[in-house]
Amino acid sequence: EDQLVESGGGLVHPGGSLRLSCAASGFTFSSMNWVRQSPGKGLEWISYISSLDKTVHYADSVKGRFVTSRDNAGSSLYLQMNNLRVDDTATYYCARPQYCSGSSCYDDLWGQGTLVTVSS
Amino acid sequence: IVLTQSPGTLSLSPGERATLSCRASQSFSSRRLAWYQQKPGQPPRLLIYDASTRATGIPDRFSGSGSGSDFTLIISRLEPEDFAVYYCQQYDGPPRTFGQGTKVEIK
Repeated sequence: EDQLVESGGGLVHPGGSLRLSCAASGFTFSSMNWVRQSPGKGLEWISYISSLDKTVHYADSVKGRFVTSRDNAGSSLYLQMNNLRVDDTATYYCARPQYCSGSSCYDDLWGQGTLVTVSS
Repeated sequence: IVLTQSPGTLSLSPGERATLSCRASQSFSSRRLAWYQQKPGQPPRLLIYDASTRATGIPDRFSGSGSGSDFTLIISRLEPEDFAVYYCQQYDGPPRTFGQGTKVEIK
């Protein structure tokens, strides 16, 4: 069964850091996305990483603060979040694209998500 | 590209037809628009891609249509499991963007 499992969420103070992980299983690990969902902003794509050359694209809202990486051997995806802000509070999903036009994709497999709360 | 979904909430009874709208702030020549369904506590589930192609395992009561800047998702006869929030998403140009969602609730 194809599956994505996120971990690493939690409560962090503004300005702090957190690292999320996403474990993939059941399929050939390919290009991947991070998408977050907050009550105030709805669904928001935040990053895309390609499978081969590991090219990464970021949303402007996280550029310079978040870093996406991957371990192909271990079929794992990571999101290093630095200088976190209150408005980064959201459920973070990793998602597998079925098709991409450049870095714009639609996703056919999503993890259950991990909640990140940024609060003092 | 900003996507605006309407209505915000649709109150219907099982067996009724649901018509959901998604309007883009600019027209795109491709039909690179997807629809997702989301239930409480669950991730989004892909329903439709390329504006009108059903994803694997999606029943044929779900249909998508449209082009340019106006897109529609129709649920022909609502089943109890269809009451959820529906999102459109464009993948025509970076960055990909989502609509704010339409909640289909039981009347």
